[in-house]
Amino acid sequence: AQRVTQPEKLLSVFKGAPVELKCNYSYSGSPELFWYVQYSRQRLQLLLRHISRESIKGFTADLNKGETSFHLKKPFAQEEDSAMYYCALSVRTAGGTSYGKLTFGQGTILTVHP
Amino acid sequence: KAGVTQTPRYLIKTRGQQVTLSCSPISGHRSVSWYQQTPGQGLQFLFEYFSETQRNKGNFPGRFSGRQFSNSRSEMNVSTLELGDSALYLCASSFSTSGRTYNEQFFGPGTRLTVL
Repeated sequence: AQRVTQPEKLLSVFKGAPVELKCNYSYSGSPELFWYVQYSRQRLQLLLRHISRESIKGFTADLNKGETSFHLKKPFAQEEDSAMYYCALSVRTAGGTSYGKLTFGQGTILTVHP
Repeated sequence: KAGVTQTPRYLIKTRGQQVTLSCSPISGHRSVSWYQQTPGQGLQFLFEYFSETQRNKGNFPGRFSGRQFSNSRSEMNVSTLELGDSALYLCASSFSTSGRTYNEQFFGPGTRLTVL
């Protein structure tokens, strides 16, 4: 079975400091990895996915299959980045598609202080 | 485009009762997934429906069931409620086709269920 681990429940940084939210996964096949974010009083929303290899709001994440990690990074944190961040994994079923299932980590609450 | 809507937003029930939650996906989305969110277990996948068929199921007891209608709206039902069923129930819709691996899931605001 697949598993996603986010070792930090809370992470605090000051504005302008670099931030890294850690995510490790366990899955024997080829997963798809995502970062979802939930700002205060807003819905859970997709931040970025590894296959897109793009930077969203200054955040990037690289899938490291050797270390089974997908850490989220931003070089200069902003106060508006304060939110709950979830790492999530999608796998293929025997039928070849993921059929709507995401496996989430426990989440990391990021607080960016002024 | 209107987002995913869930009704009701809050529910209070007592042990042994049953409850039905509703989810209306984004127009054009045919896949609806349900998740349970609790402080202890986090976000856990319940099941996913596509074209009125359950395609995937998580590790929840049979008391948790769902269905999807021809307009893609979905309901989930929990029978014989237990205290541990108190949670935020989220649904998510996506524009999924039978051959795609993954499409972005758009989440609703959730239904907060409290079981007394």
